[in-house]
Amino acid sequence: KQEVTQIPAALSVPEGENLVLNCSFTDSAIYNLQWFRQDPGKGLTSLLLIQSSQREQTSGRLNASLDKSSGRSTLYIAASQPGDSATYLCAVFTSGTYKYIFGTGTRLKVLA
Amino acid sequence: DADVTQTPRNRITKTGKRIMLECSQTKGHDRMYWYRQDPGLGLRLIYYSFDVKDINKGEISDGYSVSRQAQAKFSLSLESAIPNQTALYFCATSPAGGIRDEQFFGPGTRLTVL
Repeated sequence: KQEVTQIPAALSVPEGENLVLNCSFTDSAIYNLQWFRQDPGKGLTSLLLIQSSQREQTSGRLNASLDKSSGRSTLYIAASQPGDSATYLCAVFTSGTYKYIFGTGTRLKVLA
Repeated sequence: DADVTQTPRNRITKTGKRIMLECSQTKGHDRMYWYRQDPGLGLRLIYYSFDVKDINKGEISDGYSVSRQAQAKFSLSLESAIPNQTALYFCATSPAGGIRDEQFFGPGTRLTVL
């Protein structure tokens, strides 16, 4: 059974700092991995999707990497801003299951 | 206009009441999903539908039922609500086939069962 873990659960950093959020999964037979952002009381916004054949994806100040063999993905946020404060979720689409399994998220606070 | 909409956005109900949460999408996607989110547990899949005639149970379907009225509409029902169904409920869509299967989420419905 696929399990997805995100560490740390919460993180506070000063504005301008580069930071890394971690996501690990137990079954490496994945179809893809998706990173989401969730603002309080709101839905999830897709940030990046990495297919199983890819090593990384970039969008603006965000870079997500994928290492299937070790069951890990990282989301790198460059030059963090207060507007980046949100909960970041990763979700893994396991092959043969047709569904995503979500981590519990990392709650990020960027201090001005 | 939002691509995936959910109604109502907030609902307070009493134990034993029947309640329906509705989801509509204008993205033209075949696949639709219902999730619930609880603090510390992340999102868990309740039901999913690959097209109007294809509905499947997710991880936690007990106490819930769904109806796919059209490609664009997917409703979640709680036949007899109980307090541990208090949660944030999300509808999501994704395009059929292909490799991406990127999911697009609605804004959520906050349900409280007293």
